Amino acid sequence: DIQMTQSPSSLSASVGDRVTITCRASQTISTNLNWYQQKPGKAPKLLIYGASNLQSGVPSRFRGSGSGADFTLTISSLQPEDFATYYCQQSYSTLTFGPGTKVDIK
Amino acid sequence: QVQLQESGPGLVKPSETLSLTCTVSGDSISSFYWSWIRQPPGKGLEWIGYTYHSGSTDYNSSLRSRVTISVDTSKNQFSLKLSSVTAADTAVYYCARVWTGDYLDYWGQGKPVTVSS
Repeated sequence: DIQMTQSPSSLSASVGDRVTITCRASQTISTNLNWYQQKPGKAPKLLIYGASNLQSGVPSRFRGSGSGADFTLTISSLQPEDFATYYCQQSYSTLTFGPGTKVDIK
Repeated sequence: QVQLQESGPGLVKPSETLSLTCTVSGDSISSFYWSWIRQPPGKGLEWIGYTYHSGSTDYNSSLRSRVTISVDTSKNQFSLKLSSVTAADTAVYYCARVWTGDYLDYWGQGKPVTVSS
């Protein structure tokens, strides 16, 4: 089974900050990597698919990059509504989620 | 607009079988893959498995011996059965559409299930 790791597990940031979250797969997964945002008590929301494709309706301040085993989610200028937990998910071999990165207010 | 809604008991006794149904509206279940995901309290997301409208399935290897996911195209529903549950199976259970078996683009609101006597 493919294992996913994320770093950091949590971070504190301010509105306007640039935020970067890293996701690593235990083997190469090409660009079969997706990112989700989850707010407390809500279902996850798809942000990025295929490592770098922005889902319809998602603000352009979210950017995904990477291929192979190493991937990055960048929020260019953090907004109040972006405080949430972010998960990566691979689809190269069935599905696996990363453990999540919680972004909270500094 | 595609909508998914989970239904089923919110309380299950240890050693019994957890059964949930996901009703899909705004789309035909005879397309795409359909999946179950769960989230224990305060923890991350765990993929349980998915089914295709043809009935083919694949499951998380850690749950494979206890899980069955099935589809009912006549009702536009798919279902989850998880046998021999313990307290570790307490979680919010989500159903979701899987685009081409790749990413989860539509989700239900989630069904909290507690395993307790």
